[in-house]
Amino acid sequence: QKEVEQNSGPLSVPEGAIASLNCTYSDRVSQSFFWYRQYSGKSPELIMSIYSNGDKEDGRFTAQLNKASQYVSLLIRDSQPSDSATYLCAVTRGNYGGATNKLIFGTGTLLAVQP
Amino acid sequence: GAGVSQSPSNKVTEKGKDVELRCDPISGHTALYWYRQRLGQGLEFLIYFQGNSAPDKSGLPSDRFSAERTGESVSTLTIQRTQQEDSAVYLCASSPRGLSPLHFGNGTRLTVT
Repeated sequence: QKEVEQNSGPLSVPEGAIASLNCTYSDRVSQSFFWYRQYSGKSPELIMSIYSNGDKEDGRFTAQLNKASQYVSLLIRDSQPSDSATYLCAVTRGNYGGATNKLIFGTGTLLAVQP
Repeated sequence: GAGVSQSPSNKVTEKGKDVELRCDPISGHTALYWYRQRLGQGLEFLIYFQGNSAPDKSGLPSDRFSAERTGESVSTLTIQRTQQEDSAVYLCASSPRGLSPLHFGNGTRLTVT
């Protein structure tokens, strides 16, 4: 079993729709969760971080975490063609402000927003 | 300000040769990571340095791979006796502390012929 699993996609959504990206992880003691966006040929960039169960909203992005189910998701509202990229889920045992640990990435989900 | 700098940006080498990849993190960043990304794949963790702590080398795929870091500055990733399966983009990232957002370099694209 991979440590962090994502559907590789492509996930195709029409412009203006909600894109839903999902991620599961195997390490039950994971404490910190991140979503990175990677455009083709570019390096990843952080778009969301979440540390506790529930929802966290930032603009058009909402991250959702359920530690009991070992599941984290990213919702993108009002999807735009410029959102077309690979979205990488990343997980670590480390906790913010405390002990740190390696950050493990999933293989990413390719999102294609159709104009 | 300067971001994470990696060199060379591209490297073509013959199978069996050794290569050395360099990463200059952002000044003051204590955490430094190396990842490998094969074409169309995700980021594969290789090694993690945090300050003066012993590095986490658990992701290094074989003993042909090694990495060093001098204090909280430059890091080098060395691959000995390169194989074709080593061909990938090698990404370096740093952060001010372990869980701050990672700042990635532009990567070194390694091609082993």
